Amino acid sequence: AQSVSQHNHHVILSEAASLELGCNYSYGGTVNLFWYVQYPGQHLQLLLKYFSGDPLVKGIKGFEAEFIKSKFSFNLRKPSVQWSDTAEYFCAVMLNYGGSQGNLIFGKGTKLSVKP
Amino acid sequence: DADVTQTPRNRITKTGKRIMLECSQTKGHDRMYWYRQDPGLGLRLIYYSFDVKDINKGEISDGYSVSRQAQAKFSLSLESAIPNQTALYFCATTHVRGRGKNTEAFFGQGTRLTVV
Repeated sequence: AQSVSQHNHHVILSEAASLELGCNYSYGGTVNLFWYVQYPGQHLQLLLKYFSGDPLVKGIKGFEAEFIKSKFSFNLRKPSVQWSDTAEYFCAVMLNYGGSQGNLIFGKGTKLSVKP
Repeated sequence: DADVTQTPRNRITKTGKRIMLECSQTKGHDRMYWYRQDPGLGLRLIYYSFDVKDINKGEISDGYSVSRQAQAKFSLSLESAIPNQTALYFCATTHVRGRGKNTEAFFGQGTRLTVV
């Protein structure tokens, strides 16, 4: 079965530290890739997405992610985090071929706590 | 107004009761999904529908049923609620423009369901 793995359950950083959250997926076909953010008490909001083309995608609020097809990875990065980045981050994969096309699968999420 | 609307936003119900969660969207998307979110488990897919005549089970469909009354409406029912169905439930929509050209998922605000 297809799956999405997020390596870190909880990450604690100080303001201005650099961030990298790992995401790997297990699916050999064509995929669309997403990172969503969920601030406390809110619904999921899209940070960035990859459909095709340049594997380095830039999103909102200074976030970026790199798609490495050979590693089945889509890691999220931010050079300098802020206290307001405290939230839970979800990687998601949309299967884009075959019988499960359009099925959207999420990782278990990574909580990010940024200390002021 | 929100593009994806869930009702109710909060609900407390008793074990054994039947309850329906409703989702409506104004985005004109063809695909709709129901997820539940539990701490540490991320979002798990309950059911999804690619059009009015298409209903598919997700990862955790046992104890749930759905109805796609129209392109814009997708309801989730708990036939006989039990306490371990206490969770945050999200509805989402996507649209397929063609192979490799799906939109990202748009989420409702969530329904917090407590079964006592």
